[in-house]
Amino acid sequence: ETGVTQSPTHLIKTRGQQVTLRCSSQSGHNTVSWYQQALGQGPQFIFQYYREEENGRGNFPPRFSGLQFPNYSSELNVNALELDDSALYLCASSPQGYYGYTFGSGTRLTVV
Amino acid sequence: GIQVEQSPPDLILQEGANSTLRCNFSDSVNNLQWFHQNPWGQLINLFYIPSGTKQNGRLSATTVATERYSLLYISSSQTTDSGVYFCAVGESGGSNYKLTFGKGTLLTVNP
Repeated sequence: ETGVTQSPTHLIKTRGQQVTLRCSSQSGHNTVSWYQQALGQGPQFIFQYYREEENGRGNFPPRFSGLQFPNYSSELNVNALELDDSALYLCASSPQGYYGYTFGSGTRLTVV
Repeated sequence: GIQVEQSPPDLILQEGANSTLRCNFSDSVNNLQWFHQNPWGQLINLFYIPSGTKQNGRLSATTVATERYSLLYISSSQTTDSGVYFCAVGESGGSNYKLTFGKGTLLTVNP
């Protein structure tokens, strides 16, 4: 079975630009969550998608948005990038009704 | 929201030594997972253990939900065990299964 895959692995953007990160969930998993991990910190919950709808959100501004597609893959979009958005962005998937999450390898975003 | 505290923050061991990592949480949970983050950033799921005890090779974990703590045991440590270990919990009654992570324990195993 395939795991959670994320793309790209690394990305450098300029302050004010927009970025889209992509995630393919593990086979059979219909719930996708996104996390932001700043250097030296634990991951922080951004939001979760289930059945193509946002199912919960952490303390992140509206410029962080997402999508889930019918095949359960997902995108994270960040507008008006700020220097503090530099972080590792992690995607996690799980089957609905099961609480164990599988994480991808992440996208390391650097905003300059 | 729920608070998660991990201890110790840093741990240095010689290869072959045993260790215990602790995770305390402030409220009832319906989900508790231990992860190992490798140098490339990937979070590897070690255990899903909201209660009870599990073992997988040299690793084992115990969660005492009524006392709000979990322990991760690493026996006969190897250099490949180095990395950051995270405890993450999901609050009981939460509808979106959000995980709240601790700050992690940085484990260094020297040869």
